[in-house]
Amino acid sequence: AQSVAQPEDQVNVAEGNPLTVKCTYSVSGNPYLFWYVQYPNRGLQFLLKYITGDNLVKGSYGFEAEFNKSQTSFHLKKPSALVSDSALYFCAVRDIDNTDKLIFGTGTRLQVFP
Amino acid sequence: EPEVTQTPSHQVTQMGQEVILRCVPISNHLYFYWYRQILGQKVEFLVSFYNNEISEKSEIFDDQFSVERPDGSNFTLKIRSTKLEDSAMYFCASHVLAGGPNGELFFGEGSRLTVL
Repeated sequence: AQSVAQPEDQVNVAEGNPLTVKCTYSVSGNPYLFWYVQYPNRGLQFLLKYITGDNLVKGSYGFEAEFNKSQTSFHLKKPSALVSDSALYFCAVRDIDNTDKLIFGTGTRLQVFP
Repeated sequence: EPEVTQTPSHQVTQMGQEVILRCVPISNHLYFYWYRQILGQKVEFLVSFYNNEISEKSEIFDDQFSVERPDGSNFTLKIRSTKLEDSAMYFCASHVLAGGPNGELFFGEGSRLTVL
C-alpha cells in the first residue's frame, strides 16, 4: 500500500529565512511525487513534481524539492520565505506501477512571520 | 489557462437527502477523480473514472455514492442519502493520461457540502 507522511503539523519561519517542509513516502513500485498548496477556502494548486531524472526539481513560486530514494523523502524547500507563502502544503505520491490514484499526506501548515 | 470548474460552491442539505455535485473537467482530459477533505483533515481519495467506468474506488465510496459522466463534459458525484459525516469539501480533479509523463492532477475549487 502506498502512503505519505508529513511529520509536522505546522512549520513557522521568519520572512527571508529558508524553509523546509518534510515529506516521506512508502510505495511498493516506482513513485511519482508531488507537492500541492492550498490557500484558505481554495482548491489544491500544483507546485512541483518528481517523475524521473534530476533529484532536485524546481517548481512554482521559487519552491524546489529534493527526491532522496535512500531516505524515501521528498522535502519541499525555499531559500527565502515570503509572508504570502503562508498556506497548507500537501505532499502526495502515486505508485505508478500499481494505481492511478494520488495519495495525500495530512498536510503541513506553513506560517511565515514578517 | 484551462481549469476544472465545480458547482455548487456550497450546498446545505438535510440528512437523508440526495445531493449531486457537478464538475466540468478540462476538455482534453481523460481521467477524472473525486476527493474529499473533511474540515481541517487530509485530502482523501474517493474514486477515479476512466472510459465511462470506475477504475478505482476507496472504502469511503460505498453504495451511497455514485459517479456519472452523463454528457461528455460533466462529471457528477451523487450521494444518495446524506449523513452528517458526509459534510466535507469535495474536490473534482482531472488528468490527461494516467501513468503518462505529466503526472499532476488539476483540481477544481471544491464544493462544500454541509449536512444538517
